[in-house]
Amino acid sequence: AQSVAQPEDQVNVAEGNPLTVKCTYSVSGNPYLFWYVQYPNRGLQFLLKYITGDNLVKGSYGFEAEFNKSQTSFHLKKPSALVSDSALYFCAVRGYNDMRFGAGTRLTVKP
Amino acid sequence: DAGVTQSPTHLIKTRGQQVTLRCSPKSGHDTVSWYQQALGQGPQFIFQYYEEEERQRGNFPDRFSGHQFPNYSSELNVNALLLGDSALYLCASSHPFRSPSTDTQYFGPGTRLTVL
Repeated sequence: AQSVAQPEDQVNVAEGNPLTVKCTYSVSGNPYLFWYVQYPNRGLQFLLKYITGDNLVKGSYGFEAEFNKSQTSFHLKKPSALVSDSALYFCAVRGYNDMRFGAGTRLTVKP
Repeated sequence: DAGVTQSPTHLIKTRGQQVTLRCSPKSGHDTVSWYQQALGQGPQFIFQYYEEEERQRGNFPDRFSGHQFPNYSSELNVNALLLGDSALYLCASSHPFRSPSTDTQYFGPGTRLTVL
């Protein structure tokens, strides 16, 4: 069965520093992996996805993610964090018709 | 280009009542999926509708039912509400039958349901 795990409930980083939000996956077959962000009292906003090809995927708002098949990971990264990046981040893997989400990681960027 | 819209924004019901939530998909999308997001958790898949039929269902009881209309909009109905049904209900639209596994789902802002 397709699943993802986000090992960190909370990530804290200072503004201007690089950030990483971790995700590992377990799939049968090819993984189709996604990152979404959720701001308070809002729905999920799509950031990026990995389907095939280049292991470094670039997405919205300066975010990128690195797909690592040997480590079964799909970590979200940003070279320089902004206070406005503070939000809840979800990694997800595509099943046949459904999306399966991790429990989420709360990112706090401090000025 | 309008994104996914949902109504109402908030809803308060009591145990045993029934509720209907509504969703309009993003322009050009014909498939609607519903998710339940309990506080502090990731979204859980309820079901998906395409061509006015339920295509796939998650691990939710029959109290949860849905409908899709010819204009692709959708409703989620929950009967005999329980306290545990309190959650954010998210609708997502996509056009997966071009590419079922890789198409992106776009989410609406959600409906916050509180059951007292």
